[in-house]
Amino acid sequence: KAGVTQTPRYLIKTRGQQVTLSCSPISGHRSVSWYQQTPGQGLQFLFEYFSETQRNKGNFPGRFSGRQFSNSRSEMNVSTLELGDSALYLCASSPRGGPDNEQFFGPGTRLTVL
Amino acid sequence: QKEVEQNSGPLSVPEGAIASLNCTYSDRGSQSFFWYRQYSGKSPELIMFIYSNGDKEDGRFTAQLNKASQYVSLLIRDSQPSDSATYLCAVRRPGGGNKLTFGTGTQLKVEL
Repeated sequence: KAGVTQTPRYLIKTRGQQVTLSCSPISGHRSVSWYQQTPGQGLQFLFEYFSETQRNKGNFPGRFSGRQFSNSRSEMNVSTLELGDSALYLCASSPRGGPDNEQFFGPGTRLTVL
Repeated sequence: QKEVEQNSGPLSVPEGAIASLNCTYSDRGSQSFFWYRQYSGKSPELIMFIYSNGDKEDGRFTAQLNKASQYVSLLIRDSQPSDSATYLCAVRRPGGGNKLTFGTGTQLKVEL
């Protein structure tokens, strides 16, 4: 079974631009979560989508948004990029909710904002 | 108090020894607990998760959960140099869907 895929793997943008990242979960998985990883803050939860609905949201500004399509693929968008948005953006795929539910990460998209 | 706390390390162990990684969490209602391994420049890789008190074993790895003490640990038996990585502890809380709250990770170095 193929793993989680994320595109693109690397991105370089300038301040003020916007960016869209894509995530394809493991086949059959309905939940996609997005995380930001930086050296200073570690791994922080952005939001989760389940069956096309945002189920949870972390403490990030409204410039960060996402959506999920009927095939469970998800996109996240960051508008008006700031230097501090430079990070590794990871998406994680889960089959469902519940305490006995594994979560698998994709390879990540490394975003650099100049 | 941080929600999930780990000693940042580095934790150095000789090859073949048992490495013990620890994690404490603040929310007593937390449901399930995850250990991920992350090599430098790579994404986190799930080692195992546990949601019942006690031990769970998978190959050279054993996760131990003590909800009364709000403590979860990961033991790595017969440590190999390839185990050198950062180990991340993550916690899922009830009502949070699949949201995981991560510790800052413990760097493990297995020395020849």
